Amino acid sequence: QVQLQESGPGLLKPSETLSLTCTVSGYSLTSGYYWVWIRQPPGKGLEWIGAIFHSGNTYYHPSLKSRVTISVDTSKNQFSLKLTSVTAADTAIYYCVRDHVLDYWGQGTLVTVSS
Amino acid sequence: EIVLTQSPGTLSLSPGERATLSCRASQSVTSNYLGWYQQKPGQAPSLLIYGASSRATGIPDRFSGSGSGTDFTLTISRLEPEDFAVYYCHQYADSPSTFGPGTKVDIK
Repeated sequence: QVQLQESGPGLLKPSETLSLTCTVSGYSLTSGYYWVWIRQPPGKGLEWIGAIFHSGNTYYHPSLKSRVTISVDTSKNQFSLKLTSVTAADTAIYYCVRDHVLDYWGQGTLVTVSS
Repeated sequence: EIVLTQSPGTLSLSPGERATLSCRASQSVTSNYLGWYQQKPGQAPSLLIYGASSRATGIPDRFSGSGSGTDFTLTISRLEPEDFAVYYCHQYADSPSTFGPGTKVDIK
């Protein structure tokens, strides 16, 4: 059973860096698939942030590209998201998800940006 | 960027009725790389349909997807009480991957 679990701080101040980690169990990242970050502002729709292939190739949403880094740690079977210079507009539930078809989702973690 | 439009915004139906949800793309979705997801309050979305018409593992056959190119449909043949939720379409043919704004199916 593939499971994904997000972890990281839930409250940030404006201009800080958001750092989240997704721990994957039941599947080895090195076996393939893309690994994806998606976010959802409270009460709103879904936004694709970016993806990383197990080899390290990355793809980012153009609107976030200057602030986003997605990386993978195969030794820990984890992948991570960093988003710099956050503002209130970055307040959202952040999900880590497997593959382009988005077949397995983490439960999501709420990140609030507030002074 | 492919823009997805979903209609209607809200669909009010009774259990047992048929639901037809539409997703239209601003340009052709290559290889029908189009998925449908269900989201219930307080939960992560879950995959229903991928490749426009293939049901994900464990999804009941009352859910079906159809369409190609720029026009796609999710049909729920007979609504069960647990089907009242928000449904999103998503294209993964082109980067950036994009989502529709969602259709809420609520109880009439």
